[in-house]
Amino acid sequence: EVQLVQSGAEVKKPGESLKISCQASGYIFTNFWIGWVRQMPGKGLEWMGLIFPADSTTKYSPSFQGQVTVSVDTSLHTAYLQLSSLKASDTAFYYCARPTWGAADYWGQGTLVTVSS
Amino acid sequence: QSAPTQAASVSGSPGQSVTISCTGTSSDIGGNNFVSWYQQHPGRAPKLVISEVRNRPSGVSHRFSGSKSGNTASLTIAGLQAEDEADYYCCAYVNTNGFDVVFGGGTKLTVL
Repeated sequence: EVQLVQSGAEVKKPGESLKISCQASGYIFTNFWIGWVRQMPGKGLEWMGLIFPADSTTKYSPSFQGQVTVSVDTSLHTAYLQLSSLKASDTAFYYCARPTWGAADYWGQGTLVTVSS
Repeated sequence: QSAPTQAASVSGSPGQSVTISCTGTSSDIGGNNFVSWYQQHPGRAPKLVISEVRNRPSGVSHRFSGSKSGNTASLTIAGLQAEDEADYYCCAYVNTNGFDVVFGGGTKLTVL
């Protein structure tokens, strides 16, 4: 059974950094792209970045280029999303998902990030 | 790339059919058959209900169907049930060497 399990909720202060994780199981981790999706409170879904674990090729949405970093540890079957210099506007749910030609058939449960002073 | 356009809300009564549209451009929806649709209930992760314009993943109700004409993709839900009340998002694959997936703005479906 394919599963994507994300790290738990985080509360951070403005200016801090954060790295959230997404551990994959039930499939060959290096064979599929994995990506991150942001959902701000009451808003829609936004693709942030994608990574291909076999060679760590990354793609970033223009809206998030330079603002976030996507990485993987293939030995742990885990993808990561790093957010730096956090602002209150980074408060959101962050989901990892496994897209194949744009169709994300598996999703993590989501990680709530709250940025507040 | 800009997001495909979806109506903010649609509604229907139990048993009726509703169609949710997603309008893009010739560079995304009109340029390939990699349009997908997601259902999201409050507080839950999105769920894939249609891939590649019209393919229904295993376990998704036959009441969900997808289609495409030109630059517009559509999701039709037949025989509306209370449990169908949710947000629905289309997602387009973009014909570009850059970042290549983009969600529509989402449509809130209300079952009256």
